[in-house]
Amino acid sequence: KQEVTQIPAALSVPEGENLVLNCSFTDSAIYNLQWFRQDPGKGLTSLLLIQSSQREQTSGRLNASLDKSSGRSTLYIAASQPGDSATYLCAVPNQAGTALIFGKGTTLSVSS
Amino acid sequence: GAVVSQHPSWVICKSGTSVKIECRSLDFQATTMFWYRQFPKQSLMLMATSNEGSKATYEQGVEKDKFLINHASLTLSTLTVTSAHPEDSSFYICSAPSDSHGVRGYTFGSGTRLTVV
Repeated sequence: KQEVTQIPAALSVPEGENLVLNCSFTDSAIYNLQWFRQDPGKGLTSLLLIQSSQREQTSGRLNASLDKSSGRSTLYIAASQPGDSATYLCAVPNQAGTALIFGKGTTLSVSS
Repeated sequence: GAVVSQHPSWVICKSGTSVKIECRSLDFQATTMFWYRQFPKQSLMLMATSNEGSKATYEQGVEKDKFLINHASLTLSTLTVTSAHPEDSSFYICSAPSDSHGVRGYTFGSGTRLTVV
């Protein structure tokens, strides 16, 4: 059964720092991995989608990498800003390839 | 891009009443939609898969008679929480694959905060 783990559970940094969020999954037979952002009481905003054939994806200050063989993905946020404060979730498709299995998320707080 | 609209964004209801939550795909057709539930400080847990024109598929432990799902068209799925109780208070989010098999990822609604008093 696929399990997704995110470390750390919470992170507090001053503005301007570069940071890395980690995601690991137990079953490497995935065809993609998706990173989301969730603001308190809100839905999910898709940040990056990495296909299994890709090693990384970039969008602005965000860079996500994927190492399928080791069951790991990282989300790198450059020059963090207070507006980046949110919970970041990673998710992979379930075995049926239908819905997503989520980690518990990393709650990020960036202070000005 | 694919957009999913979910309503209402929040609802308060009395114990014993029913609440309907709507999930619409605005610019694409979704033969399949997914309903998740999220408790405070917990991750999203899949409740059920909504299939257009057929019965929903429920995850283990989810009561199908309590959480009624209807997917009558290619753009609308509804979740009705029947005879709601305080323990049903949670954040409910719907999702649809951005393409037929989710190869291009999944799009989520904005969620519905349900509070049962």
